[in-house]
Amino acid sequence: DGGITQSPKYLFRKEGQNVTLSCEQNLNHDAMYWYRQDPGQGLRLIYYSQIVNDFQKGDIAEGYSVSREKKESFPLTVTSAQKNPTAFYLCASSTAGFANYGYTFGSGTRLTVV
Amino acid sequence: KNEVEQSPQNLTAQEGEFITINCSYSVGISALHWLQQHPGGGIVSLFMLSSGKKKHGRLIATINIQEKHSSLHITASHPRDSAVYICAVTYSNYQLIWGAGTKLIIKP
Repeated sequence: DGGITQSPKYLFRKEGQNVTLSCEQNLNHDAMYWYRQDPGQGLRLIYYSQIVNDFQKGDIAEGYSVSREKKESFPLTVTSAQKNPTAFYLCASSTAGFANYGYTFGSGTRLTVV
Repeated sequence: KNEVEQSPQNLTAQEGEFITINCSYSVGISALHWLQQHPGGGIVSLFMLSSGKKKHGRLIATINIQEKHSSLHITASHPRDSAVYICAVTYSNYQLIWGAGTKLIIKP
């Protein structure tokens, strides 16, 4: 079955360390997205990519970096510059022209800074 | 001000009750989405609407473009329906505006 795989499900990081969250899809989707969710708030867009080797900042990109070297993969690095990284991170994908197609979501990674 | 407002924020009901969750938005949209998030965090897309009404099993979603309002209904609710239901809208490609979600608890 096609889908999105996010790993790991839970991640603990020491303050000051960079950490990379994995997102892989086998849906042949062109577009991929990273969202952050904080308790009681809606999802906020961190970065998105519409095509390989291209990506755009979302609303809260500061302290994060991404790459899109392969169509199937869109890893997110949470850098030490992110002031409050403890959150739930969701990866999603869609076909191009999102307005006409729905999203597929991963199961998420819960990151805790200790 | 959040451009997507959901109500209620929390809803507790007995098994079998008819459930309605509302979503209002303030900008013209190309599509509205209803999604379900279970306690583990994973999100499932339920519906994508641009007009009218859609039905899938016990779930029904409606949208009124003129009033900028959508509703998600659950008939014959069951404890397994307990989840957070999220409304989101798109008004241009790749711009998705999310509501804060409605936490639904169905008691047996």
